[in-house]
Amino acid sequence: EVQLVESGGGLVQPGGSLRLSCAASGFTFGSFAMNWVRQAPGKGLEWVSGISGSGGSTYYADSVEGRFTISRDNSKNTLFLQMNSLRAEDTAVYYCAKLGTPNWNSPLEYWGQGTLVTVSS
Amino acid sequence: DIVMTQSPDSLAVSLGERATINCKSSQTILYRSNNKSCLAWYQQKPRQPPKLLISWASTRASGVPDRFSGSGSGTDFTLTISSLQAEDVAVYYCQQYYNTPRYTFGQGTKLEI
Repeated sequence: EVQLVESGGGLVQPGGSLRLSCAASGFTFGSFAMNWVRQAPGKGLEWVSGISGSGGSTYYADSVEGRFTISRDNSKNTLFLQMNSLRAEDTAVYYCAKLGTPNWNSPLEYWGQGTLVTVSS
Repeated sequence: DIVMTQSPDSLAVSLGERATINCKSSQTILYRSNNKSCLAWYQQKPRQPPKLLISWASTRASGVPDRFSGSGSGTDFTLTISSLQAEDVAVYYCQQYYNTPRYTFGQGTKLEI
């Protein structure tokens, strides 16, 4: 059974940093690209960042480019999102999501329960 | 980026009746490798993560009841719930996975009884 468990969310001041983690199990982690998707309170879904299975390719939404860094540790089956220079508009539930196949042209088949990041003074 | 636009924003349907949600992409999302559209539908209930319902515009995910169906091609797509059940109350999102990995979602449609 595929499981994705996010952690690391919390309250942080504007300009601060936070590191999210996503512990994965139930599949061959290094074979699949992984993604972060966020949802601001009462709003829709926004893709944030993606990383290839090897970790060699990373991608970001324009809204977080230069502030967020995605990475992974395939030896520990864990995905990360380092968030710097946080803004109020980064307040959201952050979901870790796995594609249905190793191909990027694939739906987001599995989602974690999410971790809430609140940016406020 | 490909813009996904859903209609309506909200919808109220009686139990047992049909619900129809539309999704339009700003450009074609046809994947030439399999001649299918890179279009997914998700259901999100309060305080839960999204759940994949439909992929490739019309393929139901494992365990999804057959009252859910997807159709469409090119730039216009539809999610239909043939006979609404109480447990179908949720927000529904369409998503394109053609322009990878810059996935984009529709704004969501809130379905109520």
